[in-house]
Order: sequence, then C-alpha cells, then structure tokens
Amino acid sequence: DGGITQSPKYLFRKEGQNVTLSCEQNLNHDAMYWYRQDPGQGLRLIYYSQIVNDFQKGDIAEGYSVSREKKESFPLTVTSAQKNPTAFYLCASTPSSLGSDTQYFGPGTRLTVL
Amino acid sequence: GENVEQHPSTLSVQEGDSAVIKCTYSDSASNYFPWYKQELGKRPQLIIDIRSNVGEKKDQRIAVTLNKTAKHFSLHITETQPEDSAVYFCAASSLIEDMRFGAGTRLTVKP
Repeated sequence: DGGITQSPKYLFRKEGQNVTLSCEQNLNHDAMYWYRQDPGQGLRLIYYSQIVNDFQKGDIAEGYSVSREKKESFPLTVTSAQKNPTAFYLCASTPSSLGSDTQYFGPGTRLTVL
Repeated sequence: GENVEQHPSTLSVQEGDSAVIKCTYSDSASNYFPWYKQELGKRPQLIIDIRSNVGEKKDQRIAVTLNKTAKHFSLHITETQPEDSAVYFCAASSLIEDMRFGAGTRLTVKP
C-alpha cells in the first residue's frame, strides 16, 4: 500500500494530554505533510516539511507541533493547546519538494479525546 | 493562496448512469489537478490526475477535463457501479503552492 505507514490506527487522549502520531515512509520521498480531516469535510493542511530539519506551518497549525529529524519520519504532536483535536489525521508524502506532485497517503490515525 | 471549491457535496445516481463532479480553483498558477477517492475510514487513493498542458484525460470509465481559462476541472464517471460509491476529492497545486483540496463529494450509486 505505498510504503507510508501511520501508527497507531486509533488513539484515545484525555483532555490536557499531549499525544504523538507517527508517520514513516520508505519511499525516499523528500516532502511530507500532515492533514486533518473532520467528518464530511475535506483535508486541511496542518504542517509540511520539504526537507530534513525544516518544516512550515499549514493552514491550521495552532495546537500542533512536528519534527523532521530523519527523511523517513515526520511525527505530529497534538498538544493540549489544540481545543478540538478529535479528527482523522492523514500523513502524506511526495517524491519532490516542489508542488505539482502526486501525494501518497498513509492509512490515517483516528484520534478521539475522552 | 489557492482556494478550491467542489460541487455538489452529495450526488446520488442510478447504477449505469454517469456522474459528474466539478471543481473551481482561484490561482491561475495552479498546474496540477488530481482526483482522489476515499472509502469510509480509508486513505485517499489517487484515481486520475491532469496537468495544465492537456485539456482532457481518460482512464477506462473515468475522465477528467480541464478548462484553464475558466479555472475549472471536472471528474466524469461513466457506467457507474455500486463500488464507485465513496467520497471524491479534487485538489489543485502549483510548483510553489502546496496542494489544496476541495471539500469532497459523497457519491452514492444505487443498484
């Protein structure tokens, strides 16, 4: 299924806790992305990284943080500052750091705040 | 930045009929337009894409058309089947702008 994996598949968080979602790819892709998907809605960009040790905020970065220490890995931390974190989170990667490139998606993580 | 609008939000057709989903975009620099299919709880899967140097692309029962002047592109599915039922997303991007997605269309194909 494309070499991009996310874990866990389901995640439950208590209010006030930080949680980290894993995203790994073995496609040797340069760029990686995190999206949030709410029921009945499209994908909204949280953060993206075009190269190791560099990342940029997307449209809804508040309450989230990321790191890109390795090319293969782009973990997303949902902090307690994110007021409504319950959603489906999708990680994606593209071969190059330019736009106009096909995005390959991971299977997603469904986060629920208890 | 880019803004992508998608219509309709829901679409119900009879098996065997055609389905058409339309998207408009705002950034004239956008040059790549993919369409994704997402089944419930699954990842989006690319089904077809088009670049701005062509006006139409076909792949069996699926086709995409692009009108750069009007800044809109459409997905056409012919001879629909129940397994075509899913949410479809359009997207647009350029060399320097990240991909922006439409809000999605829930397609239901009735047997």
